[in-house]
Amino acid sequence: QQQVKQSPQSLIVQKGGISIINCAYENTAFDYFPWYQQFPGKGPALLIAIRPDVSEKKEGRFTISFNKSAKQFSLHIMDSQPGDSATYFCAASIGTSGSARQLTFGSGTQLTVLP
Amino acid sequence: DAGVTQSPTHLIKTRGQHVTLRCSPISGHKSVSWYQQVLGQGPQFIFQYYEKEERGRGNFPDRFSARQFPNYSSELNVNALLLGDSALYLCASSRDSGANVLTFGAGSRLTVL
Repeated sequence: QQQVKQSPQSLIVQKGGISIINCAYENTAFDYFPWYQQFPGKGPALLIAIRPDVSEKKEGRFTISFNKSAKQFSLHIMDSQPGDSATYFCAASIGTSGSARQLTFGSGTQLTVLP
Repeated sequence: DAGVTQSPTHLIKTRGQHVTLRCSPISGHKSVSWYQQVLGQGPQFIFQYYEKEERGRGNFPDRFSARQFPNYSSELNVNALLLGDSALYLCASSRDSGANVLTFGAGSRLTVL
């Protein structure tokens, strides 16, 4: 129930194209869904996040679409650039008062944007 | 401002040895979390500490332990190393134990031979 399933494992997109990464979860208690971007040799960096009471959140070229009934959420990268080439992780967590907010990560998607 | 700093960046150990990894959180952040990232997988939660107290523990054996110091820095200890402990160990800091935003360090790459 704690799993977050992510697809595809790898993605190749032409410059200017749209990159789409999908995630699915089982635990309906999750209340926070962030996406992290990780470059080689670096730690994951928060890209964008959404709560389940919102169906879409957009920040610049990055958009999260959230489908609560299907228990799915996705990251869309518009006008993909070679500098976007990185590994992307979806994650989910449960907020409990006084307790740790632990992130459950997906398995990652390696995005390559061709020039 | 400095981000989350971790040391060492790389280390090689042999089976059965122990290792200590260190983390300094962002100034003003009182919570530190540790994650293990095996090559090709997403990070997995190990521990969270807040105000020197353990506030959460993931599904890891007792060979893994951690502590947080009065200056909010933290160390992760792993005893009796196994080959499967080879991974990138990530430290993340946040303002408090329930904060949504975690800021990760670059990690400590542990190789167990």
